[in-house]
Amino acid sequence: EAQVTQNPRYLITVTGKKLTVTCSQNMNHEYMSWYRQDPGLGLRQIYYSMNVEVTDKGDVPEGYKVSRKEKRNFPLILESPSPNQTSLYFCASSLNRDDNSPLHFGNGTRLTVT
Amino acid sequence: QKEVEQNSGPLSVPEGAIASLNCTYSDRGSQSFFWYRQYSGKSPELIMFIYSNGDKEDGRFTAQLNKASQYVSLLIRDSQPSDSATYLCAVNLGYGGSQGNLIFGKGTKLSVKP
Repeated sequence: EAQVTQNPRYLITVTGKKLTVTCSQNMNHEYMSWYRQDPGLGLRQIYYSMNVEVTDKGDVPEGYKVSRKEKRNFPLILESPSPNQTSLYFCASSLNRDDNSPLHFGNGTRLTVT
Repeated sequence: QKEVEQNSGPLSVPEGAIASLNCTYSDRGSQSFFWYRQYSGKSPELIMFIYSNGDKEDGRFTAQLNKASQYVSLLIRDSQPSDSATYLCAVNLGYGGSQGNLIFGKGTKLSVKP
């Protein structure tokens, strides 16, 4: 089944403890992206990647890192999480650079930082 | 600042009625426009996309685009309770390629009453 898989679905952690949220897609998509969704603020892009070894900042990149060593994986790294990073996170992918290639979203990761 | 504006709602319509969801965007250079549906606690899923001025129909859904007015809308005919969800408008600025420039509105919550 074609899908974007995020893990974990739920994560509670403490301030300053490094964490990684994994994202993997099995559709051979070139483009991958991370979003966070907060009440009243909507979906905001954190980082995106056009292809392997190519990543770029979105609207809210501060406090996050990403890597794209393989086409299928695009992990989101929080080196020192803080409470303002408590949010619902979505990974998404699309086929290629085509503006009209639709985004496929993962099921989301609900992160709580205390 | 590139912006996509939507009325947050909730928009309440009776079953069988037409639901009209509206979206305005600030950047005249925007090239492609998407509507995503998001059920509570779930990830967004693509409903429709439109690039050219005019109407585009797909089943009960019609997307309408007016680039001169910087306005895109989604009409849902014969609304069903299962259409109750938050509808996200997304606009692709279209430069630099692909979804890297996809800006989401905050969403309109639709409630269809039986």
